Amino acid sequence: AQTVTQSQPEMSVQEAETVTLSCTYDTSESDYYLFWYKQPPSRQMILVIRQEAYKQQNATENRFSVNFQKAAKSFSLKISDSQLGDAAMYFCAYRSAAGGSEKLVFGKGTKLTVNP
Amino acid sequence: NAGVTQTPKFRVLKTGQSMTLLCAQDMNHEYMYWYRQDPGMGLRLIHYSVGEGTTAKGEVPDGYNVSRLKKQNFLLGLESAAPSQTSVYFCATSRGQGQYFGPGTRLTVT
Repeated sequence: AQTVTQSQPEMSVQEAETVTLSCTYDTSESDYYLFWYKQPPSRQMILVIRQEAYKQQNATENRFSVNFQKAAKSFSLKISDSQLGDAAMYFCAYRSAAGGSEKLVFGKGTKLTVNP
Repeated sequence: NAGVTQTPKFRVLKTGQSMTLLCAQDMNHEYMYWYRQDPGMGLRLIHYSVGEGTTAKGEVPDGYNVSRLKKQNFLLGLESAAPSQTSVYFCATSRGQGQYFGPGTRLTVT
């Protein structure tokens, strides 16, 4: 079974600075998808960024980018120019490309605090 | 479009009571999921469905049942609630691009 590990329970960053959240995963599959979700205090789960394992190019969405290292099974999220609204729980998730169910396996999350 | 909605948003149950959580979606997605979120545990999959009339067990299915009689609805039932089922429950749907979540239901079992 696949597992996802987020080794940083909490992180903090100063407003306007850059922060990187870590995620590692364990799988024997070669084709899969990886995601980062944001959960602000409102509790709503918001999809931040998505990466297909077969793509070597790292995904980018505005101030959010990933560093996908397939051989190392690492998938970190970089937030540039941090804003107060970035304060949230961040979850890394894995999805197999096989099987057709599109189930997600989540890490336990990293709580990000943004200091003004 | 409402997206994914969940009913109710909050509920308090006594041990042994039953209840049903309703998830509704208007995105015409085939796949639907129920997760629970507990502090320090992330989200764990309870049950899921890959289409109308189908259901399957996830990682933590014990104590829960589900039904998907209509494509747009996915129901999660607790037949005899226990304090260990105190949690926040999320419904999600997907169709290839990542999952879309409802706002969650906070359930407390006393």
